[in-house]
Amino acid sequence: QKEVEQDPGPLSVPEGAIVSLNCTYSNSAFQYFMWYRQYSRKGPELLMYTYSSGNKEDGRFTAQVDKSSKYISLFIRDSQPSDSATYLCAMSPNTGFQKLVFGTGTRLLVSP
Amino acid sequence: DSGVTQTPKHLITATGQRVTLRCSPRSGDLSVYWYQQSLDQGLQFLIQYYNGEERAKGNILERFSAQQFPDLHSELNLSSLELGDSALYFCASSVGEGFNSPLHFGNGTRLTVT
Repeated sequence: QKEVEQDPGPLSVPEGAIVSLNCTYSNSAFQYFMWYRQYSRKGPELLMYTYSSGNKEDGRFTAQVDKSSKYISLFIRDSQPSDSATYLCAMSPNTGFQKLVFGTGTRLLVSP
Repeated sequence: DSGVTQTPKHLITATGQRVTLRCSPRSGDLSVYWYQQSLDQGLQFLIQYYNGEERAKGNILERFSAQQFPDLHSELNLSSLELGDSALYFCASSVGEGFNSPLHFGNGTRLTVT
């Protein structure tokens, strides 16, 4: 079993929809949680990161961490065709951005 | 553009061969990380260097080695290549050692082993 599980999708939504992307994990030592966006033929780009449990909002993006359930989510409001990409969750124990453990990514398609 | 430069973009080689992937970090970044991305495994951390010294190691095979040079660029050497080594190899850089320094990824080198 992988340490981080993520549904590969694709997830297809119409423009303007609210998107929910999720990851589950098994290692209770994880403290840092990140979301990366990866466009085709490009490297991952950091969207948001949070420490421990709770919510964090940045524009149309909200990240949620529920450590009791070992479950993290990324919500995208008013989704746009430019949001079409693969979204990767990543996490680490007490090492911050070192030795990140990534999910395999969820492919999101937002149609106009 | 993240500012991290990886060369070459594509590499096709045969089993048993050796290749070198190169990475130039963002200006001012002292840490360089190497990750391997395959379809079934996702992004896997290989190794990290900070200012020329190895700082952290992941699931890097013994056939693979890396170094960071005084000018801070890094090279990842892959030898005795196998079909299963075909993947995207990403380099990332950060300002600090990684604790509170977000990673910035390059666009990767696509390695195909035939």
